[in-house]
Amino acid sequence: QVQLQESGPGLVKPSETLSLTCTVSGVSMSSYYWSWIRQPPGKGLEWIGYISYSGSTNYNPSLKSRVTISLDTSNNQFSLKLSSVTAADTAVYYCSRGGRKQNFDYWGQGTLVTVSS
Amino acid sequence: QSALTQPASVSGSPGQSITISCTGTSSDVGTYDYVSWYQQHPGKAPKLMIYDVSNRPSGVSNRFSGSKSGNTASLTISGLQAEDEADYYCSSYTSSSTRVFGGGTKLTVL
Repeated sequence: QVQLQESGPGLVKPSETLSLTCTVSGVSMSSYYWSWIRQPPGKGLEWIGYISYSGSTNYNPSLKSRVTISLDTSNNQFSLKLSSVTAADTAVYYCSRGGRKQNFDYWGQGTLVTVSS
Repeated sequence: QSALTQPASVSGSPGQSITISCTGTSSDVGTYDYVSWYQQHPGKAPKLMIYDVSNRPSGVSNRFSGSKSGNTASLTISGLQAEDEADYYCSSYTSSSTRVFGGGTKLTVL
């Protein structure tokens, strides 16, 4: 079955870069879009961006200047980098299959990233 | 892009029906039928409940249904059960080829 698993540091210092990786199993990454979505504590979901199977990307305009999503199909992974983080970037970060016109049908369990010195 | 607008909370008694609205604009909900709904229980990842306005994924109860009129999409849950108590989020494709979520609605089963 399709499974997604986020990995990366749970604590990042202000002004540094948050880096997370999502490992996908049970399905080829071809033909799908792959997204990052976050949820600040006690708040709603925010779409961060997606990458296609061909490597094209699109980002939330409010985060675009700080976000990079990349794809590593050989290892069935895709990654998120968010630069110049502040406390406002503290959230549970989810990776998901979906994006653009494709629904978010599979999700990782989520990983809490705290921005603090 | 602005978040889609959902009521902060709705409630209903077991067996009743409730409807959650999701209002967007002509740049998202009003133009595209790529509206989906997600259920999220506390501490869990969201779960896809409705896609492309009114389609149910395999395994989702037929008590859940979706519709759309103009710039507003709706999720209806009939025969309310205690296990339906959760947060619900809508999402839409946009004219900028991005995705946007609603602010979320907390459903309380009385």
